[in-house]
Amino acid sequence: EAGVTQSPTHLIKTRGQQATLRCSPISGHTSVYWYQQALGLGLQFLLWYDEGEERNRGNFPPRFSGRQFPNYSSELNVNALELEDSALYLCASSPRTVNTEAFFGQGTRLTVV
Amino acid sequence: AQTVTQSQPEMSVQEAETVTLSCTYDTSESDYYLFWYKQPPSRQMILVIRQEAYKQQNATENRFSVNFQKAAKSFSLKISDSQLGDAAMYFCAYRTPEAGSYQLTFGKGTKLSVIP
Repeated sequence: EAGVTQSPTHLIKTRGQQATLRCSPISGHTSVYWYQQALGLGLQFLLWYDEGEERNRGNFPPRFSGRQFPNYSSELNVNALELEDSALYLCASSPRTVNTEAFFGQGTRLTVV
Repeated sequence: AQTVTQSQPEMSVQEAETVTLSCTYDTSESDYYLFWYKQPPSRQMILVIRQEAYKQQNATENRFSVNFQKAAKSFSLKISDSQLGDAAMYFCAYRTPEAGSYQLTFGKGTKLSVIP
């Protein structure tokens, strides 16, 4: 069974541009979570999507947004990129039940220059 | 808001020896889940072990075990018989039992080195 897949693996953008990151969850998983892992800061929760709806967001500005498609895949969009947006962005997916675990992808390394 | 603190940015252990990674957390909830994740250089987060707060018994997974002290809000990870493949970043994480939510609060991590 395929795991969580993220694309692209690496992304280099210029300050002020927009970045789009993609995540395909494990088959049967309806929830997708996005985390930002900046150097030295651990993982910070960004967004949670379930059944096509945004369920919760972390303490990030509105230029971080996303969506979930009918097939449960998800996009994370970062507008007006700033240098401090450089980070590893990790996606995780889980089924919508309590007593399960989420599975992580290998992340997209975003570098803003 | 919940917080998770890992006070050891880096640790090292001799191969075959035992090491303990520390984690403390702060919450007003009585029911929650705690996790230890491993992140090797491949970057993929791998679940090592989980603990439900309502269970008094400490979780164990092969060479990995936890010491869960609910009153002290402490959740340490013990790795026995350390192997070279254990070298990685280790993150402690907290989750509320909200139905359907796997939103995690992470500590900043501990980098574990294993010395041959």
